[in-house]
Amino acid sequence: GQSLEQPSEVTAVEGAIVQINCTYQTSGFYGLSWYQQHDGGAPTFLSYNGLDGLEETGRFSSFLSRSDSYGYLLLQELQMKDSASYFCAVRDSSYKLIFGSGTRLLVRP
Amino acid sequence: EAQVTQNPRYLITVTGKKLTVTCSQNMNHEYMSWYRQDPGLGLRQIYYSMNVEVTDKGDVPEGYKVSRKEKRNFPLILESPSPNQTSLYFCASSPGLSYEQYFGPGTRLTVT
Repeated sequence: GQSLEQPSEVTAVEGAIVQINCTYQTSGFYGLSWYQQHDGGAPTFLSYNGLDGLEETGRFSSFLSRSDSYGYLLLQELQMKDSASYFCAVRDSSYKLIFGSGTRLLVRP
Repeated sequence: EAQVTQNPRYLITVTGKKLTVTCSQNMNHEYMSWYRQDPGLGLRQIYYSMNVEVTDKGDVPEGYKVSRKEKRNFPLILESPSPNQTSLYFCASSPGLSYEQYFGPGTRLTVT
């Protein structure tokens, strides 16, 4: 079956760095993306990796290793407003978009 | 303002009473899809559409119907809702198969 695995919860301190991992098993692969969702809100797009390596967007970076079926989202200089759920997603060979079950990030003062 | 709108935002209904959740986008996006979100299960794709008159099943299509008669609209139809369809529903659109999907605000549906 198709699946994406990510930790259910991560806690970190304001100003710190946190890494959220995602491993995937899908039929076909057309890149890994990340979304952020605050409580009561809609998911919003953060980043996309189509090729191996690191993509940086401000305080957020995302990494992909296709040979390991693995990626991660790196959040630097954590702020309280970064407390949210983070989802990885993969598009498979039939163009379906499959999401992980999400990682709840709690940033403490 | 570029956006995806959904209506209604909240709905409580009874088992078997047909309902439609509307979704509209004003960005001229070709790709639209519906998701349901349940605690601990993340977002699961119900149906998607790559263009007008082209729709396909996602991971959890049972009990749902969709139509794409116009590019901007993609309604979700529950012909005979059941309690296991109680969930939070999101519509999303994107320009083609780009990963940057734009999500609507969500519709919280309760079926009793």
